[in-house]
Amino acid sequence: DAKTTQPPSMDCAEGRAANLPCNHSTISGNEYVYWYRQIHSQGPQYIIHGLKNNETNEMASLIITEDRKSSTLILPHATLRDTAVYYCIVRGFTNAGKSTFGDGTTLTVKP
Amino acid sequence: SAVISQKPSRDICQRGTSLTIQCQVDSQVTMMFWYRQQPGQSLTLIATANQGSEATYESGFVIDKFPISRPNLTFSTLTVSNMSPEDSSIYLCSVEGGWGWGYTFGSGTRLTVV
Repeated sequence: DAKTTQPPSMDCAEGRAANLPCNHSTISGNEYVYWYRQIHSQGPQYIIHGLKNNETNEMASLIITEDRKSSTLILPHATLRDTAVYYCIVRGFTNAGKSTFGDGTTLTVKP
Repeated sequence: SAVISQKPSRDICQRGTSLTIQCQVDSQVTMMFWYRQQPGQSLTLIATANQGSEATYESGFVIDKFPISRPNLTFSTLTVSNMSPEDSSIYLCSVEGGWGWGYTFGSGTRLTVV
């Protein structure tokens, strides 16, 4: 699996958009970008994933650059409950399903 | 997506003893994954468990220390053997929720070894 790099921490004001970047410069053509988050003392929660097109669901939007070497997770209107560690993972379809978690970004949403 | 029931949710154990963690899924899944999360750290994959075959362990993890059972397509156990304080971690099981859903994780077992 390609390695990902994320900033260790970020702050965001409540109600504003939170933009979390991820670098995955060694991503290969068949690898997807996945995002998870882990709220304190809970198991990680799947957020969104994409291959090369931008994606949106009820939780977030995922913007992937044209060269696919980086992506941004956008939480459009952050709330205090979005405070969590956010993990960006690159995963291929044929690597037996396992994923490697990096250190993630600790997002703190402030009132 | 799949729903996972993991237990116990937490335990405090004496060093030298063993603890078995159970993971029950509400649907049949081919692969189940066991992770460890040490205090303040990210998740590290311990092993992949397929039904009917030996688990595949990642570098740094061995079967004698972390034996895994996978008796059917909805259930797995992870045993942490001969525990020491360094084994104090959160242990999580995970399954693939189906392509397009990503992984589903159990709520974790918080283990403290004293």
